[in-house]
Amino acid sequence: EPEVTQTPSHQVTQMGQEVILRCVPISNHLYFYWYRQILGQKVEFLVSFYNNEISEKSEIFDDQFSVERPDGSNFTLKIRSTKLEDSAMYFCASSGGRNNEKLFFGSGTQLSVL
Amino acid sequence: DQQVKQNSPSLSVQEGRISILNCDYTNSMFDYFLWYKKYPAEGPTFLISISSIKDKNEDGRFTVFLNKSAKHLSLHIVPSQPGDSAVYFCAASAIPDKLIFGTGTRLQVFP
Repeated sequence: EPEVTQTPSHQVTQMGQEVILRCVPISNHLYFYWYRQILGQKVEFLVSFYNNEISEKSEIFDDQFSVERPDGSNFTLKIRSTKLEDSAMYFCASSGGRNNEKLFFGSGTQLSVL
Repeated sequence: DQQVKQNSPSLSVQEGRISILNCDYTNSMFDYFLWYKKYPAEGPTFLISISSIKDKNEDGRFTVFLNKSAKHLSLHIVPSQPGDSAVYFCAASAIPDKLIFGTGTRLQVFP
């Protein structure tokens, strides 16, 4: 079965540093998402991306965050200047349609900001 | 922001019995509801969904019930199996591109 792959699985960074989290969505999918889960809390929506632009974003997704689809296969989340509270598991997801049905999630990148 | 609530953090059920996981929501604009299952060190996996025009959807051992007047949905797993042990997330959407998740219920199915 096709799957969403995320790299790295773990990322440790110093506060104030930039990080880029990488994702390879399922190849024929058109809608891409980032979610995150802070330890012990719920999974939170960050951003959705379609047709090379952001379609929805949450209040969490401020100017420190950006997303990009630099080529036909990768989808990245950049955090420009990380804060301690950015420490979380970040999940990439993709879907073939717009109705959130059967979002396919990656295994996540555990980001630890020290 | 507690639009989707799962009030039971954990549930323990004997193998072969029914597991009932509950979810409440507050936003009447939600029109699509989903259940995801999550194992440790993995991303959430889609399980079953229901649109607001229905009150029941069934897929094998999994059935989701929606009570719009009570703003409540539930997931029934019958019979429960040890491999069903995982964290189950309820999710809802009013905007097609945005899912709101609950906090999850950890289900443990014991022999």
